[in-house]
Amino acid sequence: AQSVAQPEDQVNVAEGNPLTVKCTYSVSGNPYLFWYVQYPNRGLQFLLKYITGDNLVKGSYGFEAEFNKSQTSFHLKKPSALVSDSALYFCAVRDALYGNNRLAFGKGNQVVVIP
Amino acid sequence: EAQVTQNPRYLITVTGKKLTVTCSQNMNHEYMSWYRQDPGLGLRQIYYSMNVEVTDKGDVPEGYKVSRKEKRNFPLILESPSPNQTSLYFCASSLGLNSNQPQHFGDGTRLSIL
Repeated sequence: AQSVAQPEDQVNVAEGNPLTVKCTYSVSGNPYLFWYVQYPNRGLQFLLKYITGDNLVKGSYGFEAEFNKSQTSFHLKKPSALVSDSALYFCAVRDALYGNNRLAFGKGNQVVVIP
Repeated sequence: EAQVTQNPRYLITVTGKKLTVTCSQNMNHEYMSWYRQDPGLGLRQIYYSMNVEVTDKGDVPEGYKVSRKEKRNFPLILESPSPNQTSLYFCASSLGLNSNQPQHFGDGTRLSIL
């Protein structure tokens, strides 16, 4: 079964500094990877995905993520964080080979951008 | 506007009183799913549906029922709610899981079972 680990509960970063949110995954086959963001009192919003091709994926709001197969990681990055980036971020994975019709989510990372 | 609509947004009720949370999407999506979100546990899938009349259990299906009689609707039913079902619930839909299109989420339903 597929699974995702987001090792940090909270990430604090100063406004203007680079932001990284870590994600590692476990699948039997090839992974399909997603990042979502959740603002207070709202549902999750899609940021970006990796299916195949370029390891560096660009998404919404200036975010990007790098797929690293050898490290089984898909870390989310933003070169310069904004206060408005403060939110809860979820990584998710689906196993492409043994696709059991399910998407597994991590527990989420709270990002706090300090003005 | 493309959206997933859940109702109610908030509900406080008592143990054992049957309740239904409705979910409707206007995007003609085949795949629909219910999740619960609990602090420190992230999102856990309750049930999902690949299409009309096709439903299957997720990771935490105990105490829940679903139905998919029409493509747009996917209600979540708690026949006899208990306090451990107090949680934040999300409905989501997508074109089809094999399309690898992102899921669209509703704004959530916060249930408190006393």
